[in-house]
Amino acid sequence: KAGVTQTPRYLIKTRGQQVTLSCSPISGHRSVSWYQQTPGQGLQFLFEYFSETQRNKGNFPGRFSGRQFSNSRSEMNVSTLELGDSALYLCASSLEGKRTDTQYFGPGTRLTVL
Amino acid sequence: AQSVTQLGSHVSVSEGALVLLRCNYSSSVPPYLFWYVQYPNQGLQLLLKYTSAATLVKGINGFEAEFKKSETSFHLTKPSAHMSDAAEYFCAVSYSGGGADGLTFGKGTHLIIQP
Repeated sequence: KAGVTQTPRYLIKTRGQQVTLSCSPISGHRSVSWYQQTPGQGLQFLFEYFSETQRNKGNFPGRFSGRQFSNSRSEMNVSTLELGDSALYLCASSLEGKRTDTQYFGPGTRLTVL
Repeated sequence: AQSVTQLGSHVSVSEGALVLLRCNYSSSVPPYLFWYVQYPNQGLQLLLKYTSAATLVKGINGFEAEFKKSETSFHLTKPSAHMSDAAEYFCAVSYSGGGADGLTFGKGTHLIIQP
């Protein structure tokens, strides 16, 4: 099976712009989670989608949003970019999103905000 | 609230020596625990996970971890380090409740292998 894919791999944006990142889960996986990784804060949970519904959300401002399509592919959007949004954004998929499910991570999208 | 503490942001061992990466958790309910490895410019790869079955969990690449409830620990070990083990290692715990509330990660431990 193909792994989790994320596009694009690298992005450079300027403050105030918005950005959309894409994630394609492993075939058959219905849960998609997003994480932000920075040197200072480490890995932080953004949100999780299952069957096109956001089930859980981490402690991030409303500028961070996402959605999931009927084929389980997911996108996340960040509006009004700030310098602090520079990070590696990781997407992870799992079968049902249960606590015991293994989350499989994609390679990430490296976002740089100038 | 659940939390994970990884002792030592950097650990250096000689090739062939024992690898020990420490992880302590705080959870108000029985935790599910995971170890992930991250190589440069890559995502995270699962090494092993504890989901309340056997307390000694064996993973990939010769790694194993033991769940010790009395010590609230889930340390990762490997008997003999290899140069290819050099990477960032993350311990994580899953929240309580149904569905995926997300993994809570430790800050990570950078493992350095000396030749």
